[in-house]
Formats: sequence, C-alpha cells, structure tokens
Amino acid sequence: RKEVEQDPGPFNVPEGATVAFNCTYSNSASQSFFWYRQDCRKEPKLLMSVYSSGNEDGRFTAQLNRASQYISLLIRDSKLSDSATYLCVVCDNNDMRFGAGTRLTVKP
Amino acid sequence: SQTIHQWPATLVQPVGSPLSLECTVEGTSNPNLYWYRQAAGRGLQLLFYSVGIGQISSEVPQNLSASRPQDRQFILSSKKLLLSDSGFYLCAWSVGLPAEQYFGPGTRLTVT
Repeated sequence: RKEVEQDPGPFNVPEGATVAFNCTYSNSASQSFFWYRQDCRKEPKLLMSVYSSGNEDGRFTAQLNRASQYISLLIRDSKLSDSATYLCVVCDNNDMRFGAGTRLTVKP
Repeated sequence: SQTIHQWPATLVQPVGSPLSLECTVEGTSNPNLYWYRQAAGRGLQLLFYSVGIGQISSEVPQNLSASRPQDRQFILSSKKLLLSDSGFYLCAWSVGLPAEQYFGPGTRLTVT
C-alpha cells in the first residue's frame, strides 16, 4: 500500500461545478496535512493546511478524518483558473510524503 | 519575506557528465532544506534533506549527493549522470518540524 494515495483523475468539470478530492494515508502517526497545487511544469505551491476541525478558505474546504486516515479537498464554484494538479501531503516530523496528485481540468 | 532561488532553470546534459544544481534561500535563518525529484507524470520523490550546515540525510540510494556549505545554500551533485536522472528537480525550505514546505521554481534536467 502506498503511503499517500490519491485518485489520479483526471477530473473534468464545467465552470461553476463543485468537485471533491480524497486522499488516504497509511501512517496513523502523521501529524500535519496539507494540500498543494501544481500547475503544469511549475513548482508545487501551498494551497492550504488541513486542521483536525476542518478549515475553509474562500471556495476551498479541507477536512481531516484521523479515524479513517483520509483528508479531503472540496472546491466550490470551480473557475477555469482552478485547473491544476492537486497534491495531498502528509507529514510526520521531518518526513513529508506527497501523493502523486489529482489532475483537475475546469472547462467553460 | 522569504524567497528561494534555483538555477539553472533548464539543463540538458549528456550521460556520464557531472551535475551541480544550486539552491539558495533568503529571508530566513537555519531553514530545513530539501531536494526532490519529480519524474514526468509522477509524484515528488524526496532525495535529501538537511536540518543544518553539513547535515545531510539521504532518502534513497542513488548516484546523487547533496551538500550544505552554508546555512542557506543547498547543492545537488552527481559525478556521472544516468538517463534515469532526467526529471524536474525541486528545492524546498521549511522552518520547524513538522511544517509546510515552500518550493523553488525548479530545474528541469534532461539527460541525453
């Protein structure tokens, strides 16, 4: 089993749609969780941290389920500019593990 | 504010040639530094990380090496490149453990 697993997609959605990504992790001792966004041929950029209580940043909502060992990212009212690959990241001290990413394409 | 630089942006090297990629961070002291490789269409693979000058931890055995000669400088090297070394090399920094990491713009390496 991979340490961090994501559905690779691609997810093709129309503008304005709501889309959700899930990510599962194997290390129950993981302490910190993040979502990154990576545009084609660019470096990953931090999108948001994921807190135990769940957190929201504008159209983006991240949730953590420690019991089931998964995190999720919900994007509401998708924009064309949301098209990118979304990376799930799980961290334990200095051990940061990246998922392979989920590709999202938002179409007009 | 903190910034991270990597160079060169792109590099084409023949098999068997040496490699030196440099990464520098500005605006922070004693950062944790990381080297990742991302092969085409694949996830990030952690190659090396460093918590201080001269302290290097290797995640995977390979023909690459890393050095940290100064607090905010991280260098990735190879004596002889292989075709399989092609990829997108990313340097990242963080402060504290565990903490989010911030990436440099990357170096796209093609070994021919």
